[in-house]
Amino acid sequence: DGGITQSPKYLFRKEGQNVTLSCEQNLNHDAMYWYRQDPGQGLRLIYYSQIVNDFQKGDIAEGYSVSREKKESFPLTVTSAQKNPTAFYLCASRDHSYNEQFFGPGTRLTVL
Amino acid sequence: AQRVTQPEKLLSVFKGAPVELKCNYSYSGSPELFWYVQYSRQRLQLLLRHISRESIKGFTADLNKGETSFHLKKPFAQEEDSAMYYCALSRGNYGQNFVFGPGTRLSVLP
Repeated sequence: DGGITQSPKYLFRKEGQNVTLSCEQNLNHDAMYWYRQDPGQGLRLIYYSQIVNDFQKGDIAEGYSVSREKKESFPLTVTSAQKNPTAFYLCASRDHSYNEQFFGPGTRLTVL
Repeated sequence: AQRVTQPEKLLSVFKGAPVELKCNYSYSGSPELFWYVQYSRQRLQLLLRHISRESIKGFTADLNKGETSFHLKKPFAQEEDSAMYYCALSRGNYGQNFVFGPGTRLSVLP
């Protein structure tokens, strides 16, 4: 089954701990994205990467970090510096030809 | 700053009635606008983009640069249209990243 996978589906973390969310794609897309989705706020861009070994901050990057060592993978680390990390996180990749984003199923992170 | 607004959090219409989901944007360059939809228990997916000027599932949207709007319309709503709809804008020199509106939940009543 092709597309974008995110794991885990649900994640619980204690305050003060870092946690890494996985995002993998087999669509051969160069660009990948991380969004945070909160009720009533839509999707807010955290980080994005246009190519391997390169990434840029989005609108709400504080308290998050990413890496892009492989084209297929774009993991997101939620650090202890993120003040309100409980949220639903969506990963996406982009088809450059049509400028269309393809989304994963999401990870719901809860900080206890 | 680039921004996308969707004034209605929830829109309820009866089956067969026309529907219009509003979207306004602010952007200094030439915008590329999209509508994304999320049906219950499904992933967020592209519905249509203004460049394509196409009708998808009976929906159309016209970019009005004078009014900075990109409203989504359908003449006769169906129950299967019930979903969360997000308007989005592509920004950057190469349209490489996006800003989304807060979303409108459309409920089509039988």
